[in-house]
Parts: sequence; structure tokens; C-alpha cells
Amino acid sequence: DTGVSQNPRHKITKRGQNVTFRCDPISEHNRLYWYRQTLGQGPEFLTYFQNEAQLEKSRLLSDRFSAERPKGSFSTLEIQRTEQGDSAMYLCASSLNRQGNTFGSGTRLTVV
Amino acid sequence: AQSVAQPEDQVNVAEGNPLTVKCTYSVSGNPYLFWYVQYPNRGLQFLLKYITGDNLVKGSYGFEAEFNKSQTSFHLKKPSALVSDSALYFCAVENNQGGKLIFGQGTELSVKP
Repeated sequence: DTGVSQNPRHKITKRGQNVTFRCDPISEHNRLYWYRQTLGQGPEFLTYFQNEAQLEKSRLLSDRFSAERPKGSFSTLEIQRTEQGDSAMYLCASSLNRQGNTFGSGTRLTVV
Repeated sequence: AQSVAQPEDQVNVAEGNPLTVKCTYSVSGNPYLFWYVQYPNRGLQFLLKYITGDNLVKGSYGFEAEFNKSQTSFHLKKPSALVSDSALYFCAVENNQGGKLIFGQGTELSVKP
């Protein structure tokens, strides 16, 4: 068990490009969460999966955002047509039911 | 709606002195409460949690937190601060359905030698 792994650690992209982030949760964890954190703020919930089912999406998750967890293991978060306002740290976390979230180190996105 | 408030943006403490980082919450039902610490450009590290039982919860790195239901508070404490404790601290409440966390805005702790 190596914890929650996120790739890449950093991503710089031009406005209008698409980006995809990957999260590998702790293997026995059935729940996987995505959060977004901007400078000086606490993380804000985006979406979560229980196994492969996406059970909740925040209103923060616009149509340009899509998340998948196809086999109930790793997850991807894609942002289409990136905007400067998408610049943030994207955090992934996993849990075994309601046992608290274990976080990855995050992917820092910079849109230029 | 569930919410968490951390009334102090920054707390400054001298090394060796006790520290307190404040947190209040608003939640229906029994709360699951957490403290996390974040170092620069890193993810969040779990410190401790309260689910049920003893109101005083002990966690990692010598931290503890006291759950106070009447005051709806969950303050983080440490008897003797270290310079290495300097970081950003987040209080969070767990949603009672999906398990997502709702965070406070964070408190920056600065411990000076």
C-alpha cells in the first residue's frame, strides 16, 4: 500500500487545451473523491465514486469537467477547453466507506 | 447545510508554548470531524478524527482535539509547539451520506523559535 497516487504532479497548459489527471487510490478503498483547492482556500468537493459508480457531482463541476472510474480502481479527471479560472490544485482522496479521506499529493494545474 | 468555520486566518506561537487552532461546525445529526495538515505544495495529511466516544481525541505528532457538542467546536491543541508544526491546518466535517469532506478555510500556524 503506497497511499493515494496522483499524476502528473504539475501541469501547465494553454487556455483552450484539454487536460487529464489520473488518481490511483488505496487498493482496498471503495470510495474515491476529487476536490479542487485554490490558493488560500480549503479544498472544495467536486465529485465522488463508490466503486465504479459516480454518485455525486458538485455544481462546481461544469460541463467541461468529466470524471471516470471505469473499473472501480483508478480514476481520471478531464477538463476540456481549459480556462484560466481552472488553475488550481486538484486533489484526489480515497476511503473505505466512511473512514475519512486519505489524500494524494495533488496535481497543480496552471492555465496560461 | 453543513459547514465549518475556522475563525483565525493565522495563529502565531512561540516554540515550546501550547497552541490552539479553533474550529466550529454546523451539522445535523452526529458529526464526524477531522483535522488535516498541509505543507506547501503538498496534499493533506490526516491528523485525527472524532466519530464517537471520548471527547478528547489524540492524533499524530502529539496533536489532540476536544469535541464540545454544546459549543459545536472541535479545537486542535498541542501542549508544546515545534517549529516544524508550522503549516496550514484544516478542520473538516464529513457528509453523513457520501463521505465527502466539507472544509474550513484553513488556519496558517506559524511557530517561531
